[in-house]
Amino acid sequence: QSALTQPASVSGSPGQSITISCTGTSSDVGSYNLVSWYQQHPGKAPKLMIYEVSKRPSGVSNRFSGSKSGNTASLTISGLQAEDEADYYCCSYAGSAWVFGGGTKLTVL
Amino acid sequence: EVQLVESGGGLVQPGGSLRLSCAASGFTFSSYWMHWVRQAPGKGLVWVSRINSDGSSTSYADSVKGRFTISRDNAKNTLYLQMNSLRAEDTAVYYCARGFSSFDYWGQGTLVTVSS
Repeated sequence: QSALTQPASVSGSPGQSITISCTGTSSDVGSYNLVSWYQQHPGKAPKLMIYEVSKRPSGVSNRFSGSKSGNTASLTISGLQAEDEADYYCCSYAGSAWVFGGGTKLTVL
Repeated sequence: EVQLVESGGGLVQPGGSLRLSCAASGFTFSSYWMHWVRQAPGKGLVWVSRINSDGSSTSYADSVKGRFTISRDNAKNTLYLQMNSLRAEDTAVYYCARGFSSFDYWGQGTLVTVSS
């Protein structure tokens, strides 16, 4: 149950696009199309942004998209907005357990 | 409206015990798997435990296996986490969350501090 690997931080200017990677192994990300992404603002509970690799829950902006290739999943945010500044976590099912990434702090310049 | 409200957190000495509760409303509680996820101060999210909809199946992170027990009372719409043999490294905000393969609703969390 080792944590998935995410970059510690990414940044972008308003209107730009950024991508956050999430690297796991053949036991988690590579084996299941059950990767999800969460947004967390300071002092708040996490919010589901993407599930099952690329599906968006109702109410989540279509500026958020997800994908996966092999053992690496990615979250792309297009048309960056100030309110997107937050911590982002990926998560994968790993066969009777779930594993999160270490989190990525997104700064909107 | 789906609501999850955790309670039961607090300060406990190393080696002590605590039971967390998560009161659910706004959905058919007995139809959903439930999870506990924790977050140490300034750190990332860590999955702790999961229970299936009728309580017949559970799973745990290696770090808590044998010390924590997840359970539920579907008649009371309540999820529990019994935490024994607590260690300093268990200090965290504990969230309950709903979901099967992902976590679509979260509570606001309850803080557990393990310290002498």
